[in-house]
Amino acid sequence: DAGVTQSPTHLIKTRGQQVTLRCSPISGHKSVSWYQQVLGQGPQFIFQYYEKEERGRGNFPDRFSARQFPNYSSELNVNALLLGDSALYLCASSRGRANEKLFFGSGTQLSVL
Amino acid sequence: DQQVKQNSPSLSVQEGRISILNCDYTNSMFDYFLWYKKYPAEGPTFLISISSIKDKNEDGRFTVFLNKSAKHLSLHIVPSQPGDSAVYFCAASAVNNAGNMLTFGGGTRLMVKP
Repeated sequence: DAGVTQSPTHLIKTRGQQVTLRCSPISGHKSVSWYQQVLGQGPQFIFQYYEKEERGRGNFPDRFSARQFPNYSSELNVNALLLGDSALYLCASSRGRANEKLFFGSGTQLSVL
Repeated sequence: DQQVKQNSPSLSVQEGRISILNCDYTNSMFDYFLWYKKYPAEGPTFLISISSIKDKNEDGRFTVFLNKSAKHLSLHIVPSQPGDSAVYFCAASAVNNAGNMLTFGGGTRLMVKP
């Protein structure tokens, strides 16, 4: 079975631009979460979606938005990019139950110049 | 305010010996804890988890211990192998979290020397 897939793997943008990152969950998983990992730190929660509804949101500005599609894939959008948005963006999928492990994709490395 | 902390940024161990990675948390609402391993250019991979109703969980060479009164958990790897060299993250969740949001520590880089 395919794992969590993310695209693109790498991305370079300039300040002020907008970016869209994509994620396909493991087949049968209805929940998708997004995490930001800055170099040298642990992943930080951005969003969780379950059955196309936002279930949770981390401490990120409104420049960050996401959505989930009927096939459970998801997009993360970041507007008005700042240098500090440079990070590895990880997508994770799960069945959506409480206290369960998440399966992570390999991430999208975003560099903002 | 870091709710999950891994105070050792790195650990070096000889092959065949025990590796002990530590993690402390502050939020008493956390009731489920996980360890993930991460290689460069890959996403975190799940290793082992423990519920707050237990104080120990074992899976092959990996054992996680939970001390709720001290708000401390540890991951033991015995015996350590060179392929275990990676960054290890502990993570925690609370049943009343938004969904199954995980709060991660900053990671510990484990180096197992042959």
